Parts: sequence; structure tokens; C-alpha cells
Amino acid sequence: KAGVTQTPRYLIKTRGQQVTLSCSPISGHRSVSWYQQTPGQGLQFLFEYFSETQRNKGNFPGRFSGRQFSNSRSEMNVSTLELGDSALYLCASSFPGLADTQYFGPGTRLTVL
Amino acid sequence: TQLLEQSPQFLSIQEGENLTVYCNSSSVFSSLQWYRQEPGEGPVLLVTVVTGGEVKKLKRLTFQFGDARKDSSLHITAAQPGDTGLYLCAGRGGSNYKLTFGKGTLLTVNP
Repeated sequence: KAGVTQTPRYLIKTRGQQVTLSCSPISGHRSVSWYQQTPGQGLQFLFEYFSETQRNKGNFPGRFSGRQFSNSRSEMNVSTLELGDSALYLCASSFPGLADTQYFGPGTRLTVL
Repeated sequence: TQLLEQSPQFLSIQEGENLTVYCNSSSVFSSLQWYRQEPGEGPVLLVTVVTGGEVKKLKRLTFQFGDARKDSSLHITAAQPGDTGLYLCAGRGGSNYKLTFGKGTLLTVNP
């Protein structure tokens, strides 16, 4: 069974631009969560989607948004990029009823110049 | 806001030594998880503990959940270079049941 895949793996953008990251969960998993990981703040929860609905949201500004499609694939978008948005963005999926067991993808390393 | 404090932040030891990593909070969690993350990869779940006082063993790794469900520890016996990585604790709790991560302990085991 294929794991969680994230594309692209690496991305370089400049301030003010916007970016879209993609996540394909494990087949059969309907919950997708997104996290931002930085050396200073660690892993911080962005949002969670289940059956195309946002079920939970972290404390990030409105520049960070996401969505989930009917096939459970998810995208997150960051608009008006800032230098501080440079981070590893991780996606995790879980099986319905087993929310405690999350499987993480390898992440997308975003660098904002 | 629920916070998890991990200590130590960095740990460098020789192969064969024992070590303990701590995860503490002032909040109560319904469950506590430990993950290991290697460079270029996402975190991988090692264990989930849900009952206060619970102890789980995974080969040379021993995980303990505090009686009050506010803290946890990870003990590694006879560490090996393959144990090198970032160890993260994460707790579920609060009104929205979201997962809160500690900042991690970066472990290096030297051969």
C-alpha cells in the first residue's frame, strides 16, 4: 500500500507570491491534517479535513487555507508569502475511526526568499 | 492553549548507553504519542498511551504515561546508531481534540 505522498518535495518562492502544496493520502484514508514544522516552533497544527469539510483549525492567519477533494486528496495554499513561512509542511492521513493513528508524508520544504 | 515541553532539546551519546527523554505539560491529555523523525522524512508513530500510569515496551524502548496524564517519558536501553533521530511527543486533548506536539529531542548516537 502506497504511503502518503506530497508534491512538490522542494519549493523556492519569493515574498508576496502564493504557493499551493498537494497531499495524496493513503488509499481509504479520509482524514487529512496539515502541519508546519520549523526549528523554532516545532510542529504546529494548521488544519484538518474530513470528507471535504474542515473539521479543525489551528492558530494561523487567513493567508493559510486548504481544501479537500472528493477523492480525499488535499491541497493547502499560502498567499502573500512571508520570509517566516519558510518551513517543512507536513501532511498526515488517518483511517476513519482511527484518528489517533496518523501517517505522515515526507513533507514539502518551502523556502521563501 | 495546551503546551508540551520536551527535555533535553539535544542529546548526544555513545552507542550502548541508556537515555531518557521527558515530555511534560500542565494540561491533561486523553492520549499521548511518541514519534521518531529522520532527516528528509515525516514523523513515524512509535506508540500511543492512553491510560494514566501505562507502560509500553517496544524492543529497547520503554514508554510511560504519567499517572495524572500530564507527562510522559521515553527510555532507550543500550542505544544504537540507528536510534538517531528527532523524537517528538504529541498529546490529544482540549475542546477540539487536536494534536499538540512538543518541539522534540534531537538524539545522536555515536558508534
